[in-house]
Amino acid sequence: EAAVTQSPRSKVAVTGGKVTLSCHQTNNHDYMYWYRQDTGHGLRLIHYSYVADSTEKGDIPDGYKASRPSQENFSLILELASLSQTAVYFCASSDWGGNNYAEQFFGPGTRLTVL
Amino acid sequence: SQLAEENPWALSVHEGESVTVNCSYKTSITALQWYRQKSGEGPAQLILIRSNEREKRNGRLRATLDTSSQSSSLSITATRCEDTAVYFCATLANTDKVVFGTGTRLQVSP
Repeated sequence: EAAVTQSPRSKVAVTGGKVTLSCHQTNNHDYMYWYRQDTGHGLRLIHYSYVADSTEKGDIPDGYKASRPSQENFSLILELASLSQTAVYFCASSDWGGNNYAEQFFGPGTRLTVL
Repeated sequence: SQLAEENPWALSVHEGESVTVNCSYKTSITALQWYRQKSGEGPAQLILIRSNEREKRNGRLRATLDTSSQSSSLSITATRCEDTAVYFCATLANTDKVVFGTGTRLQVSP
C-alpha cells in the first residue's frame, strides 16, 4: 500500500482552464511538497507545507497555488493553465524539513499536458 | 545554473560491471542524499550522507562525500538490469528545502 498517492495520474487540460492535482499521504508526516520535473531541470520545488492550513512558496511558485486542508492532503492548483506548465508533477512527504536529514517519500507522479 | 549537478549525463554498462556517478554542488550543506528514479515512478532515497561523514554504504551502493571540493560520488558494484534508472543527488542545508540535481541516466544491459 503506497504511502503517498497522487490523483489523477495523468491529465490533459486546455489553456486557461483550472487544474487541481491532489496528493494524499499516510506517513503521518508534517512536511509535504510539490515539485515539477522537466527534462534538463530535474526536480524543482513549487510549494511546500509544514502544517495543515499553511503553505510556503518554493523556488518556482508563479502560476501555482497550494492548499493543505489536513495533515494528509495537499493540493496543487493551476488557476489558469498555460502551455509552459506541461510537466510531470510529484508530491512528497517527510518528517521534517531539509536541514534535519529527513528522507522525502515521493508519490508516483502526475503527467500534465496543457494544450 | 543548478546548485547541484551530476555527471556524466548518461552512462551505459553491462550487468556485473561497476559504475560511478558524480555530483558537484555549490553551497554549504548539512547532508547530501542520493535518490534513484525508475521509469514511471517517483524518486526513492538510496543513501543519506551527513557533512561530517566521508563514506556511507548500503548493500552494493557506496557514497562518498568531500566537503572541501563540494563533491560526492555514488558507486554501484555488480550492476543488475534493475539498476537502470536516473540517479539524483540532493543537497540539504539550513533551510526547509532540498535541492535536486538534474540526474544521471544509467542503462544496464544484459
